[in-house]
Amino acid sequence: EDKVVQSPLSLVVHEGDTVTLNCSYEVTNFRSLLWYKQEKKAPTFLFMLTSSGIEKKSGRLSSILDKKELFSILNITATQTGDSAVYLCAVAVWDTGNQFYFGTGTSLTVIP
Amino acid sequence: GAGVSQSPSNKVTEKGKDVELRCDPISGHTALYWYRQSLGQGLEFLIYFQGNSAPDKSGLPSDRFSAERTGGSVSTLTIQRTQQEDSAVYLCASSAPGTSENEQFFGPGTRLTVL
Repeated sequence: EDKVVQSPLSLVVHEGDTVTLNCSYEVTNFRSLLWYKQEKKAPTFLFMLTSSGIEKKSGRLSSILDKKELFSILNITATQTGDSAVYLCAVAVWDTGNQFYFGTGTSLTVIP
Repeated sequence: GAGVSQSPSNKVTEKGKDVELRCDPISGHTALYWYRQSLGQGLEFLIYFQGNSAPDKSGLPSDRFSAERTGGSVSTLTIQRTQQEDSAVYLCASSAPGTSENEQFFGPGTRLTVL
């Protein structure tokens, strides 16, 4: 049973384009949603979202969460070749311990 | 400040052998997680430690997998009688107590290849 679903699975764009990555989830005891960028092996943290409708922004990247419709989007404007990576969405839930569910990721390729 | 470290970075082993993977979390981080990532797959949760105890072992794929953490710091993931399907990158992450608890810091991973 898929708890976190990301789309598209892969995306190829040209430098300067704007992209929107999607993450939908179905979990109980939702705590937060996190976005990570994975270029080689280790993912690096981008955003943590806990409240609906509040945009988080960092440079050309922004993200927002909709807890009613159970999804989040990650936007990247004016893409650069350095944005090429796999973008992972994770959902943290309240459980007996910390529990995180990851999506399979969206592979983004930015070509010059 | 050192980040999460893992060793070895690469491990090639023969089917049926046991392997031990090590994770050194960031100092002071009480929570520690093990994940694995197979080719083309997302991260698969294996086990979570809070201090030395593992309240959630639900992700361990079989009884060939075990993990321990001593002194609330270093953790080892042991895979016994390795199988080819165990080939993957094994990632460790740690997080600090308090408001940043959701943010996990990942190590560089161990790439395991079972021949």
